[in-house]
Amino acid sequence: AQSVTQLDSHVSVSEGTPVLLRCNYSSSYSPSLFWYVQHPNKGLQLLLKYTSAATLVKGINGFEAEFKKSETSFHLTKPSAHMSDAAEYFCVVSVPNFGNEKLTFGTGTRLTIIP
Amino acid sequence: EPEVTQTPSHQVTQMGQEVILRCVPISNHLYFYWYRQILGQKVEFLVSFYNNEISEKSEIFDDQFSVERPDGSNFTLKIRSTKLEDSAMYFCASSGLAGEQFFGPGTRLTVL
Repeated sequence: AQSVTQLDSHVSVSEGTPVLLRCNYSSSYSPSLFWYVQHPNKGLQLLLKYTSAATLVKGINGFEAEFKKSETSFHLTKPSAHMSDAAEYFCVVSVPNFGNEKLTFGTGTRLTIIP
Repeated sequence: EPEVTQTPSHQVTQMGQEVILRCVPISNHLYFYWYRQILGQKVEFLVSFYNNEISEKSEIFDDQFSVERPDGSNFTLKIRSTKLEDSAMYFCASSGLAGEQFFGPGTRLTVL
């Protein structure tokens, strides 16, 4: 079984300040981990993914995440928030299975950017 | 850049009616999925499909649901007799061997 826990349902930061969205995972196997973003009334877009290569993963739009096995965490960070980053962010876990993978989503973190 | 498309973007139906949600996955992908997101809740897996058969399904995916790949391009989700609680955003996704799932923009289903 696999699950993710997003520790904050809502995060507010000022524009230009760092962003930290926290995620802890649980998996019986070596997991694949993802962060997806959902802008209002839009679909889900992949920000970045970890699949057992480098533990520090860089994604689109300046986001990155670090896989820490000892802490079972996969927190998402960005050095400087932009107004366009305001969205819902989902931490996602799956078990690698040669492409046929059921994704398990966290409950999401709503990121608000204060001008 | 290839993308997953879904039609319609919004479907309104009466309780008890059948609905078919349509998806066109990325053309060289092999694995196809449906997820749903009830308003204010997290995205939930419904079903995965490979080689013209269901690979895995969740508890939500009961006998009222079915999936089909009727031709080489479309992937459909049918709900036979809709209930109020089926109201949700339904997302189609597809993936190749690399496993990265690409999502469509979703179909918002409203059951009255």
